[in-house]
Amino acid sequence: QSALTQPASVSGSPGQSITISCTGTSSDVGGYNYVSWYQQHPGKAPKLMIYDVSNRPSGVSNRFSGSKSGNTASLTISGLQAEDEADYYCSSYTSSSTLVFGTGTKVTVL
Amino acid sequence: EVQLLESGGGLVQPGGSLRLSCAASGFTFSSYAMSWVRQAPGKGLEWVAAICGRGSGTYYADSVKGRFTISRDNSKNTLYLQMNSLRAEDTAVYYCAKAAEYSGSYYCFYYSMDVWGKGTTVTVSS
Repeated sequence: QSALTQPASVSGSPGQSITISCTGTSSDVGGYNYVSWYQQHPGKAPKLMIYDVSNRPSGVSNRFSGSKSGNTASLTISGLQAEDEADYYCSSYTSSSTLVFGTGTKVTVL
Repeated sequence: EVQLLESGGGLVQPGGSLRLSCAASGFTFSSYAMSWVRQAPGKGLEWVAAICGRGSGTYYADSVKGRFTISRDNSKNTLYLQMNSLRAEDTAVYYCAKAAEYSGSYYCFYYSMDVWGKGTTVTVSS
């Protein structure tokens, strides 16, 4: 199972909105509504930001939103803040009953 | 407070074995699927394995299938990962993670993970 494809880096100024894409196939992202997004700060464990494509866990800011179209899922961060600077990973359930993560995106707040 | 605490990591030679443990607290352990996820130094996340709440179903990444075994002891609220035939490419921080969605007795939702441990480091080297 190949990793899902994400851009290596995305940047934006404080207050701006950015979108991170996550491209897979019809056997993973496109086939199921089980896409999640995780935020990871350096040296820390990942944190769940979005599950089931567009649901936010309790306590996660509503500045984070998720969507999906075909084989590509997206995470949008609006009102970008300095604390949003981190690595972001998508994941998806697959037709092999496994999970696959994306390649990861480094978000930089300019 | 929901907590996960991994242990058992260390330095092991290629071809060797290691068993990781993850002690869970603060939630009804048997009602949630659990996963192991690893991260090689400077690399991204890689899902390793998942197990259903009752232990009836297990799922593995192709990279570890046949070498690693995930298991759980619900009476001890503990998750395990038995790792055999270890290779240099298994070197990573290993995280245990709780499924975000309640599975109860009949389902096995392991598609997202909302609580993670701090990780334990496994180094495979001669």
